[in-house]
Amino acid sequence: TQLLEQSPQFLSIQEGENLTVYCNSSSVFSSLQWYRQEPGEGPVLLVTVVTGGEVKKLKRLTFQFGDARKDSSLHITAAQPGDTGLYLCGSSNTGKLIFGQGTTLQVKP
Amino acid sequence: DAGVIQSPRHEVTEMGQEVTLRCKPISGHNSLFWYRQTMMRGLELLIYFNNNVPIDDSGMPEDRFSAKMPNASFSTLKIQPSEPRDSAVYFCASSLTGHTNYGYTFGSGTRLTVV
Repeated sequence: TQLLEQSPQFLSIQEGENLTVYCNSSSVFSSLQWYRQEPGEGPVLLVTVVTGGEVKKLKRLTFQFGDARKDSSLHITAAQPGDTGLYLCGSSNTGKLIFGQGTTLQVKP
Repeated sequence: DAGVIQSPRHEVTEMGQEVTLRCKPISGHNSLFWYRQTMMRGLELLIYFNNNVPIDDSGMPEDRFSAKMPNASFSTLKIQPSEPRDSAVYFCASSLTGHTNYGYTFGSGTRLTVV
């Protein structure tokens, strides 16, 4: 069973700061997805990365897939309070989406 | 489309009672997933269906849990009898098989409290 490890588990920063969260596995990902979950709601898909070395941007969010497809990162530039939430990476190598434990991000105004 | 619809949003029940959670997936999606989320264990996959057929139920904690999908537009997750340790948020998600890049669409969840 593929295990996904996310780090850090918790991150509390001030508005305007930059941050990076990581998702790692001992196995190769066929593809990897990043989700954001806000309190009281289900996770919402942000992006899917498929190709090793791929970089995708979504406004202030930059997603990178490692060359070996075993790791991924999410970088947020100039974080805002609206970015607060739980960030989850997930992989569906086996046809079912398995998630890491998530990174809880708090952005203080 | 209204998205994945789950009911109820909140459920409080006494230990030993039967609990039934309901899910209506997005029309046209042929895969349906039930997840459980707790602080300790994160988001765990319980069971998933493809074309209404259960494919993998290895995540179902024990025989007290059962899930059905009688048709493409409805699924239930039943716990009988319920126990306090079943308290969690239960999510249903749906997707279109073979279109992994579009991801899963999650419902808003059912917060279950067993007292």
